[in-house]
Amino acid sequence: QSALTQPASVSGSPGQSITISCTGTSSDIGAYDYVSWYQRHPGKGPKLIISHVSSRPSGVSYRFSGSKFGNTASLTISGLQAEDEAHYYCSSYTTGRTYVFGSGTKVTVL
Amino acid sequence: QFQLQQWGAGLLKVSETLSLTCAVYGGSFGDDYYTWVRLPPGEGLEWIGEVSHTGITIYNPSFESRVTMSVDKSKNQVSLRLTSVTAADTAVYFCGRGHSYTWQYWGQGTLVTVSS
Repeated sequence: QSALTQPASVSGSPGQSITISCTGTSSDIGAYDYVSWYQRHPGKGPKLIISHVSSRPSGVSYRFSGSKFGNTASLTISGLQAEDEAHYYCSSYTTGRTYVFGSGTKVTVL
Repeated sequence: QFQLQQWGAGLLKVSETLSLTCAVYGGSFGDDYYTWVRLPPGEGLEWIGEVSHTGITIYNPSFESRVTMSVDKSKNQVSLRLTSVTAADTAVYFCGRGHSYTWQYWGQGTLVTVSS
């Protein structure tokens, strides 16, 4: 199973909005609404920020939102803040009953 | 709020067996699923597999021949074994806990380095 495709890096200034894409296939992202997004700061474990394409767990900032169209999912961070600087990974359940992660995107706050 | 604490040998030699344990604190072992993923240097996260609270496993086909995951409900622990390691298995390994096709809780990560 190939990793989902994400841009290696995305940057923005404080207060701006950025969007990270996550492209898969009809066997993963396109097959189910089981796309999750995780944030990871250096030296820490992943943190779930979006599940089921667009659901935000309790405690996660409203500035994070998710969507999906066809085989591509997206994560938007609005009102970018310094604390948002981290790596972001998408994940999807697959028709093979397995999971696949994205290649990861480093978000830099300018 | 659950906490996952993981541990295991951090330095291995080629052909040895990687063995990690993940303990669940802050509540019952529950009916959740437990996963192991890894982060090789300079690469993205890689899903290794998943084990249910009843011990049913599903593995990434890339690891199928080398991996074993198990649960010990009496100790609230899950474990990962990966045999015949090579340098390509050098990574930070994370355990996770969750349900409904996502994982809500994660361990802090364990760096495993494989040397020749």
